[in-house]
Amino acid sequence: QSVVTQPPSASGTPGQRVTISCSGGSSNIGSSTVNWYQQLPGTAPKLLIYSNNQRPSGVPDRFSGSKSGTSASLAISGLQSEDEADYYCAAWDDSLKGPVFGGGTKLTVL
Amino acid sequence: QVQLVQSGAEVKKPGASVKVSCRASGYTFTSFYIHWVRQAPGQGLEWMGIIDPSDGGTNYAQKFQGRVTMTRDTSTNTVYMELTSLRSEDTAVYYCARSKRNFDYWGQGTLVTVSS
Repeated sequence: QSVVTQPPSASGTPGQRVTISCSGGSSNIGSSTVNWYQQLPGTAPKLLIYSNNQRPSGVPDRFSGSKSGTSASLAISGLQSEDEADYYCAAWDDSLKGPVFGGGTKLTVL
Repeated sequence: QVQLVQSGAEVKKPGASVKVSCRASGYTFTSFYIHWVRQAPGQGLEWMGIIDPSDGGTNYAQKFQGRVTMTRDTSTNTVYMELTSLRSEDTAVYYCARSKRNFDYWGQGTLVTVSS
């Protein structure tokens, strides 16, 4: 069981806005930046958001991230069928001396 | 373009060892750390450890200390991850990933199956 918690599932209809939460503690999210990864079925994870709210080149601006205290969230607006994937948050953990991943959230586009 | 290309799938018996490779190209090999992350079937991502290709320095997750060894070969821009004393719970896809402050490029993954 991860020290960083995400809801196991989320869903929305095309065009909707969905948010995925990520809750940690003072040794990880509270003292580090948060990154988000998207994992499409059968593929390797892909960096989606870094440093809490920055998008790598090529990531649509429909994806946005935020962080407050020991929690973070990923928002996806204008939901599309191709957004159906697993989403993971991650942050450096000072106690573990390594990165820690959230348990992942499976997003279903209805 | 940046690429991390991993070795092929492996099938091992319990108690055996496995060594997975990750060959980097398209960037200066010694300028980025390489991490290993694994994913058991239907499960989430689990960090195993990190190697600094510039000096070979490593840091392993406590869970794997004593069973994992990460090495690098700067002549071929390749990083290796060896896991010993394999058990069925080690069945997973193993990924290498490049980082400075985030995992910006990932290998394609290597499926390691541990079965008698």
